[in-house]
Amino acid sequence: DAGVIQSPRHEVTEMGQEVTLRCKPISGHNSLFWYRQTMMRGLELLIYFNNNVPIDDSGMPEDRFSAKMPNASFSTLKIQPSEPRDSAVYFCASTYRGRGAEAFFGQGTRLTVV
Amino acid sequence: GDSVTQMEGPVTLSEEAFLTINCTYTATGYPSLFWYVQYPGEGLQLLLKATKADDKGSNKGFEATYRKETTSFHLEKGSVQVSDSAVYFCAQGGNTDKLIFGTGTRLQVFP
Repeated sequence: DAGVIQSPRHEVTEMGQEVTLRCKPISGHNSLFWYRQTMMRGLELLIYFNNNVPIDDSGMPEDRFSAKMPNASFSTLKIQPSEPRDSAVYFCASTYRGRGAEAFFGQGTRLTVV
Repeated sequence: GDSVTQMEGPVTLSEEAFLTINCTYTATGYPSLFWYVQYPGEGLQLLLKATKADDKGSNKGFEATYRKETTSFHLEKGSVQVSDSAVYFCAQGGNTDKLIFGTGTRLQVFP
């Protein structure tokens, strides 16, 4: 398996633009997570899905952020409009639900909003 | 709420030195505990885990023991190498899939 695949790897956009980050989880996994990593706040869980259904989105910072999982093999995280403070590395991870299950991370998308 | 606290870095060591990175947690119930490692430019990858009290996870010379009485899961390695330089994250996972991470500890090992 190719692992969790995220695209793009790098994104530079201007403030106010819409940004869409994409994730393909490992085949057979039924849980998917979106994390944001910054120097100031470390690794924050934004939202997670189980069987394509959002279970906990309490970490989504505000209404500008939205996430979807239309099927088991694809998820998006959208920021509209983007702001400079959204600059961070965004990680997607997937796992097969169960106690002690290992989460597999993608390589991340480095977002820079100028 | 549930949380993970780990020591702040950076931790700077010479090659072959002994490593300890402290991690404590607060949780309702008895979570599984994990250490993840992040090398530069990469995502996190699982280093080791323990799913119940007194379990010891180990991998690549690293060890951590699940201590329920002290709510701790400290990471140790007897002799670090330059290639161990990375950021280490402690995490807990409950009966759901939600993984809660600590802030990470950067380890720098010099020859």
